[in-house]
Amino acid sequence: KAGVTQTPRYLIKTRGQQVTLSCSPISGHRSVSWYQQTPGQGLQFLFEYFSETQRNKGNFPGRFSGRQFSNSRSEMNVSTLELGDSALYLCASSGGLSSGNTIYFGEGSWLTVV
Amino acid sequence: AQRVTQPEKLLSVFKGAPVELKCNYSYSGSPELFWYVQYSRQRLQLLLRHISRESIKGFTADLNKGETSFHLKKPFAQEEDSAMYYCALTRFEGGKLIFGQGTELSVKP
Repeated sequence: KAGVTQTPRYLIKTRGQQVTLSCSPISGHRSVSWYQQTPGQGLQFLFEYFSETQRNKGNFPGRFSGRQFSNSRSEMNVSTLELGDSALYLCASSGGLSSGNTIYFGEGSWLTVV
Repeated sequence: AQRVTQPEKLLSVFKGAPVELKCNYSYSGSPELFWYVQYSRQRLQLLLRHISRESIKGFTADLNKGETSFHLKKPFAQEEDSAMYYCALTRFEGGKLIFGQGTELSVKP
């Protein structure tokens, strides 16, 4: 079956703008989580959604938000972009304990803020 | 505090040599431990999980609860093993993974 799909793959934004990233999980997976990957901070958890509800949240400012739709697709939004938001944003999905709780990752969206 | 520590940023070995990538964790409770691998220009993918106790691509990892460690081992490294390796933990339910900083493994011919 198809893996986790993220769009867009690459984007460049200007400081102060906002951005929306999209994620389609593996079919049947109801948990979608988001991570930020940077050379300095590594992989950091942003938030997780399950059945359209935020279930877990990392330590990021309120400028970072997300949502999940009834078909489990998810979006994350970053408002008032800062240079430090330049990163690879990874989406991951999981089928939960019933499918071994394995978390599968997408290829990511490369965000550059100039 | 929940934390995963990978003390080595870079590990360089010759082909055929044994490899051990270290991972220590701190967590109040019983977490599930994973090793993820990221080959050059590829997505992050699951290599091993402590629950399955299996060997993938010749790699094994044993959970030592007393030492809170989950080191990744391979007796004979291959050049195609060169990649970034991340140790991670989670609760048994939920998509929140806590990652270590990663270890870059370089296997020289």
